[in-house]
Amino acid sequence: AQSVTQLDSHVSVSEGTPVLLRCNYSSSYSPSLFWYVQHPNKGLQLLLKYTSAATLVKGINGFEAEFKKSETSFHLTKPSAHMSDAAEYFCVIYGNNRLAFGKGNQVVVIP
Amino acid sequence: DSGVTQTPKHLITATGQRVTLRCSPRSGDLSVYWYQQSLDQGLQFLIQYYNGEERAKGNILERFSAQQFPDLHSELNLSSLELGDSALYFCARLGLAKGEQYFGPGTRLTVT
Repeated sequence: AQSVTQLDSHVSVSEGTPVLLRCNYSSSYSPSLFWYVQHPNKGLQLLLKYTSAATLVKGINGFEAEFKKSETSFHLTKPSAHMSDAAEYFCVIYGNNRLAFGKGNQVVVIP
Repeated sequence: DSGVTQTPKHLITATGQRVTLRCSPRSGDLSVYWYQQSLDQGLQFLIQYYNGEERAKGNILERFSAQQFPDLHSELNLSSLELGDSALYFCARLGLAKGEQYFGPGTRLTVT
């Protein structure tokens, strides 16, 4: 079965500094991978997606992720954190007609 | 706008009761997915319907059931509720890319 692993359940970054959220996946075939964001008391919003096209994927709000098959990774980055980036971020893999979610990274942005 | 409507937004009920959650995807969307988000289990897939038929099943309890109607809206029925059923329940529709899904705002269920 496909799965993803997110380490660092809580991440603190200073406003204006880079954000790095790590995700490693396990899949027996070429995966479809996604990052979703959930702001407090809100629903899930799709940030970006990898579906076997370009390995560097750009998403909304300045986020991007790079698919690295050799490292089975799909890390999410942003050059400069903004206060509005405070939220929970989920790395997600698709397989067997369903999405499987990682445990999430709770991001705190320090002014 | 995700194109998915869920009602109600909040639901508070007592243990042992039964509730129905409703999901309406955009007109013409044949697939609907249900997910549960709880503190204990995180986000997990419950069930998928496609054009009225069950297509995939995840970690859905026997006390839970779902259906998709001819107009393609879906309902998730939760019965004999327990405190541990308190969670956010999301419905999602398919996007254009493989596996891409768009989520509704969710129904927050509180069982007291």
